Amino acid sequence: NAGVIQTPRHKVTGKGQEATLWCEPISGHSAVFWYRQTIVQGLEFLTYFRNQAPIDDSGMPKERFSAQMPNQSHSTLKIQSTQPQDSAVYLCASSFDWGGDGQNTLYFGAGTRLSVL
Amino acid sequence: AQKVTQTQTSISVMEKTTVTMDCVYETQDSSYFLFWYKQTASGEIVFLIRQDSYKKENATVGHYSLNFQKPKSSIGLIITATQIEDSAVYFCAMREFTNAYKVIFGKGTHLHVLP
Repeated sequence: NAGVIQTPRHKVTGKGQEATLWCEPISGHSAVFWYRQTIVQGLEFLTYFRNQAPIDDSGMPKERFSAQMPNQSHSTLKIQSTQPQDSAVYLCASSFDWGGDGQNTLYFGAGTRLSVL
Repeated sequence: AQKVTQTQTSISVMEKTTVTMDCVYETQDSSYFLFWYKQTASGEIVFLIRQDSYKKENATVGHYSLNFQKPKSSIGLIITATQIEDSAVYFCAMREFTNAYKVIFGKGTHLHVLP
């Protein structure tokens, strides 16, 4: 089991450019989460998929951020017209949806560090 | 509303001592899960320990244990016999039943274990 895989590990974009971040959850996990981590805000919830369906995107900045999960093996987070304040580490995590012992734990990827110049 | 609060931003302790990190949470649910995660200097975030809200016994895993005080909506993490490698950022998190199982994190406590 390779764990949650996020690509790229680092991405540098110019202000106004688009950035697409990729996540491959652990096989068999039906819940996929995206978080943004900064020094000031900590781990901010962005959005959550369950069995590929978007469940809660209450943490997503509505205008420029979008997330998709076209199949059970990957999810993408797209940021249009990136701004310097979007610079952060974007973390993907997956878990079993709900169940008995051990099935609610999140497993995190290594993250993508986005730098907007 | 779902909320997790860690008021301690940084703690320093001497090696081999015991440390407690605080966490309080807000929830309307009667059933929920509480977690502690550790983020190492490399950025890796790993699961440490979990407490199910319906269980009265405090969870224990290795040298990690929890102090679950449900009436106070409090879930403290206790690390005994701390080691240098326990130096990291520790996050408290909650997953609710009715909130579509969304997982919310506190802002973290940075633990420094000194030799």
